[in-house]
Amino acid sequence: KAGVTQTPRYLIKTRGQQVTLSCSPISGHRSVSWYQQTPGQGLQFLFEYFSETQRNKGNFPGRFSGRQFSNSRSEMNVSTLELGDSALYLCASSSYLGQVYNEQFFGPGTRLTVL
Amino acid sequence: QKEVEQDPGPLSVPEGAIVSLNCTYSNSAFQYFMWYRQYSRKGPELLMYTYSSGNKEDGRFTAQVDKSSKYISLFIRDSQPSDSATYLCAMSAAGANSKLTFGKGITLSVRP
Repeated sequence: KAGVTQTPRYLIKTRGQQVTLSCSPISGHRSVSWYQQTPGQGLQFLFEYFSETQRNKGNFPGRFSGRQFSNSRSEMNVSTLELGDSALYLCASSSYLGQVYNEQFFGPGTRLTVL
Repeated sequence: QKEVEQDPGPLSVPEGAIVSLNCTYSNSAFQYFMWYRQYSRKGPELLMYTYSSGNKEDGRFTAQVDKSSKYISLFIRDSQPSDSATYLCAMSAAGANSKLTFGKGITLSVRP
């Protein structure tokens, strides 16, 4: 079974631009979560989508948004980029079969650099 | 105070050493406790998962949870150079909708 894939792997943007990152979950997984990882703050939860609906949201400004498509693929968008948005953006998928704990499987991440 | 605090490191040990990694937390609602391992230029992968208090062993790895002290640990016995990675603790409350809260991670280097 193929793992979680994220595209692109590396991205360089300038301040003020916007960016869209893509995540394809493991086949059959319906939940996709996004995280931002920086050396200073560690791994921080952005949001989770399940069946095309945002089910959970972290404490990030409205410049960070996401969506999920009917095939469970997900995109996240960051508008009006700031230098502090430079980070590794990780996507994780889980099967959510209704049990109380669902293991999350992470993709390799997209390294975003904002100049 | 952050919900999850993890020793910042980095940590460097000789091959064969016993490694102890620790996290403390403040949210009493946390019921599920995980340790992830992240190699350079890769995403985190689940190493150990524990529900509530107690110990869990898997090969050279042992996870301990003490909910009364809000303290979790990961022990690595007979550490190997291949164990060199960043280790992140993570926790969540009960319920499939609950999000994961991570520690900042500690980078471990095992010297041959």
